[in-house]
Amino acid sequence: EAQVTQNPRYLITVTGKKLTVTCSQNMNHEYMSWYRQDPGLGLRQIYYSMNVEVTDKGDVPEGYKVSRKEKRNFPLILESPSPNQTSLYFCASTTGFNEKLFFGSGTQLSVL
Amino acid sequence: DAKTTQPTSMDCAEGRAANLPCNHSTISGNEYVYWYRQIHSQGPQYIIHGLKNNETNEMASLIITEDRKSSTLILPHATLRDTAVYYCAALGNQFYFGTGTSLTVIP
Repeated sequence: EAQVTQNPRYLITVTGKKLTVTCSQNMNHEYMSWYRQDPGLGLRQIYYSMNVEVTDKGDVPEGYKVSRKEKRNFPLILESPSPNQTSLYFCASTTGFNEKLFFGSGTQLSVL
Repeated sequence: DAKTTQPTSMDCAEGRAANLPCNHSTISGNEYVYWYRQIHSQGPQYIIHGLKNNETNEMASLIITEDRKSSTLILPHATLRDTAVYYCAALGNQFYFGTGTSLTVIP
């Protein structure tokens, strides 16, 4: 089944403790991206990647890192999480321009 | 870069057409308009997209104005299961999502 898989689904952590949210897609998509969703603010893009070893900042990249060493994986790294990064995170992928974006099921992160 | 604006919420009677508007006045000529919907906190699901011409698929119709400054998503016969948040997005070098319209279908 074609899908984007995120893990974990829920995560509670404390300020400053490094964490990684994994994202994997099995559709051989070149484009992958991360979004955060907050009440009243909709979906805001954090980072995106057009292909392996190619990443670019989205609208809200501060406090986040990403890597794209393999085509299928695009992990989101929070090196020193803070409470303002408490949010619902989505990973998404697509095969390219003018194609639909497939979303993962989301990761609800709480930073205490 | 294109930005989109949508009404915060709308109601629609079951069985009637739901017309959801989106303004994207800064969209450029090669930027596509996409619509997604999100039920509860699940991942958004693709509905439809277009560039200039009106589009229709099994889920909905998309009407884009001639000047491309706005568009309307039409759900022709809304059902209770269409209650969701609907996002209009513009695709340039990245996807720009609006803040979404919460549609409530009323029995």
